[in-house]
Amino acid sequence: QVTLRESGPALVKPTQTLTLTCTFSGFSLSTNGMCVSWIRQSPGKALEWLAVIDWDNDKYYSTSLKTRLTISKDTSKDQVVLKMANMDPLDTATYYCARVIWNGIYVDHWGQGTLVTVSS
Amino acid sequence: QSVLTQPPSASETPGQRVVISCSGSRSNIGSNFVSWYRQLPGTAPTLLIYKNSQWPSGVSGRFSGSKSGTSASLAISGLQSEDEADYYCATWDDSLNGPVFGGGTKLTVL
Repeated sequence: QVTLRESGPALVKPTQTLTLTCTFSGFSLSTNGMCVSWIRQSPGKALEWLAVIDWDNDKYYSTSLKTRLTISKDTSKDQVVLKMANMDPLDTATYYCARVIWNGIYVDHWGQGTLVTVSS
Repeated sequence: QSVLTQPPSASETPGQRVVISCSGSRSNIGSNFVSWYRQLPGTAPTLLIYKNSQWPSGVSGRFSGSKSGTSASLAISGLQSEDEADYYCATWDDSLNGPVFGGGTKLTVL
């Protein structure tokens, strides 16, 4: 059974760096074709893909947020970490961790999401 | 502004069929597989269709996907009240070198 769970602060201040951790089970990120992604959704807005890391440690970032994002994995811990620098109130959103299948590039399992509010 | 264009809303009566479109370009839909997701209020999205027209296990056959050129569509037949949700298309964009979502379509079952 595949599960993903996001963890991190619920509240961050403007200009701070957000660090979110995705802890997953039921699959290995070292398996060919497996990827983990971070996706966010601002209140009342559409889904927005942030970053993807694949089994080979290749990384893909949103073009508009590339300079602020860093995604990494710890295969031994079954974790993926997302860092987003210079947080702004506009970054207030629910952040989802998700498993992506590379063959077809689709999300087949989602975490429940974690709401991050950016406010001073 | 999303790279993939979906109508912001759609509506239909119970039992009827509705089609939601997703328009892109050669660098995304034209070159890659499309997937579709449903998001019920207050919950995480779930996968409805992958690789343009494939069903994950557990998804009703009332949902079907298709792709033609640079556009894709999701059809929902036999509409039920519980189909009221937001629907998103997604694909890879070769120019952006990353995945992209559509802007989402809010479906209302009248």
